[in-house]
Amino acid sequence: DIQMTQSPSSLSASVGDRVTITCQASQDIRNYLNWYQQKSGKAPKLLIYDASNLEIGVPSRFSGSGSGTDFTFTISRLQPEDTAIYYCQQNNNLPITFGQGTRLEIK
Amino acid sequence: QLQLQESGPGLVKPSETLSLTCHVSGGSISSSHYYWGWIRQPPGEGLEWIGSIYNTGNTHYNPSLKSRVTISVDTFKNQFSLRLNSVTAADTALYYCARHQDVVATTPFDYWGQGTLVTVSS
Repeated sequence: DIQMTQSPSSLSASVGDRVTITCQASQDIRNYLNWYQQKSGKAPKLLIYDASNLEIGVPSRFSGSGSGTDFTFTISRLQPEDTAIYYCQQNNNLPITFGQGTRLEIK
Repeated sequence: QLQLQESGPGLVKPSETLSLTCHVSGGSISSSHYYWGWIRQPPGEGLEWIGSIYNTGNTHYNPSLKSRVTISVDTFKNQFSLRLNSVTAADTALYYCARHQDVVATTPFDYWGQGTLVTVSS
């Protein structure tokens, strides 16, 4: 199985800050990396697919980059509603695997 | 708007079989070209893919659960189902059904159900 390692596991930032989360795959997954947002008590929501493609309806302050084994997720200007846990997920190979999540809180 | 809704018992005894159904509305499983999947999340933990199915019945399972899992599809009822046998407390989790973005299982999940909590306890 491909192991996905996210960092940091948690962070706290202020409204308007630029926030970056990284995700590292245990082997080359090309660009088959997705990012999800999970708000408290809700199902995950797809934000970014294939490393850098913004899902329809997702605000443009969210972005992603990377390929191979190293990926980055960025929120350009943090908003209060961005409080959530963020997960990366690879679908280059089965089984599909997720990172352990990054908990983002607003100061 | 596509909607997915999980249903099934919220409490299952150890060693018994967990059975859940995901009903799809706003779209047809039989006439669409998507894989459909199950994902679970133990309380306070991360996400684990269980398996996925196409409308033809073709399935892919997570090897970690493969010996205990069966996913099936009922195109007439527009739903797909999960059976997990020989459950233990470690199978206690929020179970989600979801749709893959495309015709292969190696695509992201773009629509999710709200999730249903299943507790394994005597």
